[in-house]
Amino acid sequence: GENVEQHPSTLSVQEGDSAVIKCTYSDSASNYFPWYKQELGKGPQLIIDIRSNVGEKKDQRIAVTLNKTAKHFSLHITETQPEDSAVYFCAASSYNAGNMLTFGGGTRLMVKP
Amino acid sequence: DTGVSQNPRHKITKRGQNVTFRCDPISEHNRLYWYRQTLGQGPEFLTYFQNEAQLEKSRLLSDRFSAERPKGSFSTLEIQRTEQGDSAMYLCASRGGSEKLFFGSGTQLSVL
Repeated sequence: GENVEQHPSTLSVQEGDSAVIKCTYSDSASNYFPWYKQELGKGPQLIIDIRSNVGEKKDQRIAVTLNKTAKHFSLHITETQPEDSAVYFCAASSYNAGNMLTFGGGTRLMVKP
Repeated sequence: DTGVSQNPRHKITKRGQNVTFRCDPISEHNRLYWYRQTLGQGPEFLTYFQNEAQLEKSRLLSDRFSAERPKGSFSTLEIQRTEQGDSAMYLCASRGGSEKLFFGSGTQLSVL
């Protein structure tokens, strides 16, 4: 089955700096890669996603890049703000696997004002 | 608020008791998923429904766990004879025609 590795597990940045979180996946059939933000006591919130036929996608301060050959994808957050502090999860799925998401272990992002 | 509703938000029970959680997905979504999340980990897939049919079950779902979606709308997840290792956040998610999966706020289970 799919295995998703995520790093770093914790990331501390100064407000205004950029943050980058990286994930690798194992199943070459995976074709959908979402990113979720989870705040304390809440469920994961979808913040951006990318499909395998696209190399990069941007939405305001967040962007995701995908390298299918290397089987890795990354989340980039620019101009970080204290409200970006949360746990971020990457995930991967394939149509063949019923689109069931396999999640990485999470990255705790702390943005210091 | 994603539109996926889960009840209760918190459940404390004694070991050996049965518990049942409810999930109301986004109304037009025909696919419903249950995941389990332990502290410091990513969510792990438990089971998946398309309409009322349960199409996939993880090996994590022991025979003490049962899930239903009788009319293809809300779903229930029951855990019988709870164990301390069942303590976790139980997340429900739904999706419609796209791949986008929307999660509820979860039910936090504590087994004493």
